[in-house]
Amino acid sequence: ETGVTQSPTHLIKTRGQQVTLRCSSQSGHNTVSWYQQALGQGPQFIFQYYREEENGRGNFPPRFSGLQFPNYSSELNVNALELDDSALYLCASSFGPLETQYFGPGTRLLVL
Amino acid sequence: KQEVTQIPAALSVPEGENLVLNCSFTDSAIYNLQWFRQDPGKGLTSLLLIQSSQREQTSGRLNASLDKSSGRSTLYIAASQPGDSATYLCAVRREYGNKLVFGAGTILRVKS
Repeated sequence: ETGVTQSPTHLIKTRGQQVTLRCSSQSGHNTVSWYQQALGQGPQFIFQYYREEENGRGNFPPRFSGLQFPNYSSELNVNALELDDSALYLCASSFGPLETQYFGPGTRLLVL
Repeated sequence: KQEVTQIPAALSVPEGENLVLNCSFTDSAIYNLQWFRQDPGKGLTSLLLIQSSQREQTSGRLNASLDKSSGRSTLYIAASQPGDSATYLCAVRREYGNKLVFGAGTILRVKS
């Protein structure tokens, strides 16, 4: 059984660009949650996808968007990147929206 | 709005010492509380999960307690080792909630 995987591991972008981060959920999981962790802070909830629909969103602007595919993998898209978007982006998958979340290794995004 | 605070922000101890990390939360209507370990630049490893109906959970040298009514949890690490050096995060999930709310973490350094 494979765990949660994320790609790429590291990414460097410039301000104003767009970025797509990917997450493959653990086998049997139908829910993916995304978190942003700025340096020195705890992770902050961005949104959750359950059965291909957004199922809750944190305090993030609309330029943060997502998708979930029929195989339950997920993408996080960020448009018009800002310097403050530099962070570790974590995804977590679970058997359902209220079940225990299992985290991937994260994608480190640096915006210059 | 749920807020999670962790004290101390950083801790440095000699090898072999027993130590306690503290976590407090403002809304006692939680479903569970989870302690995570995070190595530098890495994802989250779940250590212990305590349901709201439980008082404590143990795993090896780790013991986590929960006092839901007072909004507090402690993580006790016995006989600390240099390999325990990491950031420790606590997170709470509210009843019927689909997201985790994290504290900022405690950075632990165990000196050999």
